Amino acid sequence: GAVVSQHPSRVICKSGTSVKIECRSLDFQATTMFWYRQFPKQSLMLMATSNEGSKATYEQGVEKDKFLINHASLTLSTLTVASAHPEDSSFYICSARELPRQSTDTQYFGPGTRLTVL
Amino acid sequence: RKEVEQDPGPFNVPEGATVAFNCTYSNSASQSFFWYRQDCRKEPKLLMSVYSSGNEDGRFTAQLNRASQYISLLIRDSKLSDSATYLCVVNVGSARQLTFGSGTQLTVLP
Repeated sequence: GAVVSQHPSRVICKSGTSVKIECRSLDFQATTMFWYRQFPKQSLMLMATSNEGSKATYEQGVEKDKFLINHASLTLSTLTVASAHPEDSSFYICSARELPRQSTDTQYFGPGTRLTVL
Repeated sequence: RKEVEQDPGPFNVPEGATVAFNCTYSNSASQSFFWYRQDCRKEPKLLMSVYSSGNEDGRFTAQLNRASQYISLLIRDSKLSDSATYLCVVNVGSARQLTFGSGTQLTVLP
């Protein structure tokens, strides 16, 4: 299946630091990428939908000025957590949907980035 | 009401057992349905899509009842390696976003 990578896999930082997470589709082009957050023992919650070349669409309750998303190419989307605080500590996962082919809705998930803010 | 609701679990079953997970969804406009599995501290991985006619993949059988807005997953002859959290996932809306259930944890015991 298609491969999505995320970098870094783990971040430990001090409060107030900005953290950038990259999501790449390695062997396919993705017009749409999704960013999720998962707190311990909870399910994935969609934060935003990232479309190549346009502004991201944020879910209700997600601050767009705090979680900055850039989708500059068909293979790369970045999420920047601005001025991270301990409550932002979570598992951040991206997924990518391949350019329409047949009628697949399959999303491919990256391995996730575990953020710990001290 | 949550958009996707699952059995709370956890399920602890012996090897070889048959286990069934249930899931209901609230949005009748939902278009696609999936079961994902997630291992501890890992990303979710697609287990199988769920079709109206029901579908089977080896030991795994998925069923969809659109009228009742109900999805199920049956695992036969459980293996130790089946231990994971199983996520019911529904694709809703024009943006084709995935909505995840809270997951059901399965532990297969030797």
